[in-house]
Amino acid sequence: AQTVTQSQPEMSVQEAETVTLSCTYDTSENNYYLFWYKQPPSRQMILVIRQEAYKQQNATENRFSVNFQKAAKSFSLKISDSQLGDTAMYFCASNGGYAGNMLTFGGGTRLMVKP
Amino acid sequence: SQTIHQWPATLVQPVGSPLSLECTVEGTSNPNLYWYRQAAGRGLQLLFYSVGIGQISSEVPQNLSASRPQDRQFILSSKKLLLSDSGFYLCAWTPGQGVGGYTFGSGTRLTVV
Repeated sequence: AQTVTQSQPEMSVQEAETVTLSCTYDTSENNYYLFWYKQPPSRQMILVIRQEAYKQQNATENRFSVNFQKAAKSFSLKISDSQLGDTAMYFCASNGGYAGNMLTFGGGTRLMVKP
Repeated sequence: SQTIHQWPATLVQPVGSPLSLECTVEGTSNPNLYWYRQAAGRGLQLLFYSVGIGQISSEVPQNLSASRPQDRQFILSSKKLLLSDSGFYLCAWTPGQGVGGYTFGSGTRLTVV
């Protein structure tokens, strides 16, 4: 079975600083996708960024970027210039190559951005 | 553009009462549909998924059931709620073909009293 692990249950960062959230996964597939989702206090799940495993270039979306290490099965999220609105739960997920696109989620990291 | 609607937003139900949560997707055809439950401060637990009308797969045996009476409609039901059914329920969809990641509904906060 596929697993996704987030080893940091909680993290905090000062406003305007940079923070990195860790994620490791396990899959036997070669072609798969990885995602980071944000869940703010409203509990709406929002897609932050996605990475295609066959692409070597790390994905970037404004202040959010990933460090994708395929051999190590690591997929970390870096948030630059942290803002108070970044306070949320962050979930890492992988579709593991499933044809049905079903995602396996990590347990989440609660990020607090401090003023 | 595609949109997903989930309702109701909040629900307080007594133990033993029935449950019906509805999710509909607009702007796409033959989506894959999912129901997740999230306990407070916890991760996501997959309950059911569907790749087509009438096709339901259950991940967790429990007193909940799901149905897909139409292509873009997904319903989560229970005949008799338990206290342990309290939680935050999320519906999500992905394209039936290709990869798009999940798009989630806004969720239903269910409290069983």
